[in-house]
Amino acid sequence: GEDVEQSLFLSVREGDSSVINCTYTDSSSTYLYWYKQEPGAGLQLLTYIFSNMDMKQDQRLTVLLNKKDKHLSLRIADTQTGDSAIYFCAPEAAGNKLTFGGGTRVLVKP
Amino acid sequence: NAGVTQTPKFQVLKTGQSMTLQCAQDMNHNSMYWYRQDPGMGLRLIYYSASEGTTDKGEVPNGYNVSRLNKREFSLRLESAAPSQTSVYFCASSGGQGVNTEAFFGQGTRLTVV
Repeated sequence: GEDVEQSLFLSVREGDSSVINCTYTDSSSTYLYWYKQEPGAGLQLLTYIFSNMDMKQDQRLTVLLNKKDKHLSLRIADTQTGDSAIYFCAPEAAGNKLTFGGGTRVLVKP
Repeated sequence: NAGVTQTPKFQVLKTGQSMTLQCAQDMNHNSMYWYRQDPGMGLRLIYYSASEGTTDKGEVPNGYNVSRLNKREFSLRLESAAPSQTSVYFCASSGGQGVNTEAFFGQGTRLTVV
């Protein structure tokens, strides 16, 4: 099955950029998603990228996809305290199932 | 429009007890999923249902059973709870059609088995 790896923790100062990295193994993933989980809540879709794209920008969010290296990243510009959360990378696996990474906990310091 | 609703939100069980976690969605989605979330391990798929009347095992199905009662409802049953099943459980649904499989999640059920 698909393996998805993320670093566990990222600390960033308010106003700086955050970069969260993800590697995966299934090259057939059509859509690759980023989900955000705030404390005590379920996951919410943050953004996604289609596999034939290298980059997608959505306001403060930039998703970069390197299909050759099976590497996905999420950049958050001008990080705010409200961005403190756990971020999950989730490539779509065979059968339209999502496989989630372990999550990266982002802590934004004032 | 409630989205995905899970009940209960919290539950404490004794080892060996049984219980059913309920999930309902009102988005007319075909696919429904049960995940468990443990610290540092992301979400692991327990069971999923691609359509009404079908269910399939995910990554960690042992100790669980599911029922896709109708298109709206997908329940998860623990027949004999074990401390290893202490976790946060999430139900999700997705349209499952075409290529966009965005999943919508419930708020989670925090289960403790003592």
